[in-house]
Amino acid sequence: NAGVMQNPRHLVRRRGQEARLRCSPMKGHSHVYWYRQLPEEGLKFMVYLQKENIIDESGMPKERFSAEFPKEGPSILRIQQVVRGDSAAYFCASSPAGAGNTIYFGEGSWLTVV
Amino acid sequence: GQQVMQIPQYQHVQEGEDFTTYCNSSTTLSNIQWYKQRPGGHPVFLIQLVKSGEVKKQKRLTFQFGEAKKNSSLHITATQTTDVGTYFCAGGGIQGAQKLVFGQGTRLTINP
Repeated sequence: NAGVMQNPRHLVRRRGQEARLRCSPMKGHSHVYWYRQLPEEGLKFMVYLQKENIIDESGMPKERFSAEFPKEGPSILRIQQVVRGDSAAYFCASSPAGAGNTIYFGEGSWLTVV
Repeated sequence: GQQVMQIPQYQHVQEGEDFTTYCNSSTTLSNIQWYKQRPGGHPVFLIQLVKSGEVKKQKRLTFQFGEAKKNSSLHITATQTTDVGTYFCAGGGIQGAQKLVFGQGTRLTINP
């Protein structure tokens, strides 16, 4: 059973470009979470999605960031007009259901903005 | 603001010494989960605690969930170099939310 798959693992973008991070949940999991981790810091919740629905986006910055989890295909975290402060590791996690269930993390996507 | 507090932020021990990290929530949790992240790696699930006062063991690791379901601890007996990493607690069901709220983590380093 394949784990949570994230790609790309490493991404370099120039300031002002767009970054797209993809996440395929574990087989049988319909819930996806995105977390951001700055160097030497903890995991900060960004957004929680089910298929075609955003359930909780309380951790998403108001501008430039968006997330989707379409009926078909992976979940995508999109960052427009990246700035240096967006440089971080972005972890996706999935679970078979929401509250009370264990979430399993992918290996992360490391975004570097130059 | 931060709702799950974890202490200490850093801990350095000699190999063979014990290690404990503590997690406290400002509100009652429905469950608590613990994760380990090796340097440069991703968080890996260790365990979930659900019941008030629950204690679970995994070899040298002992996990506890407080009676009020607001605090938890992870204790490692006789640390080994393979225990190096950052240990995160994550609270579930805070204010009815379905997401997990992570503590800041405790970074464990070990002197061999």
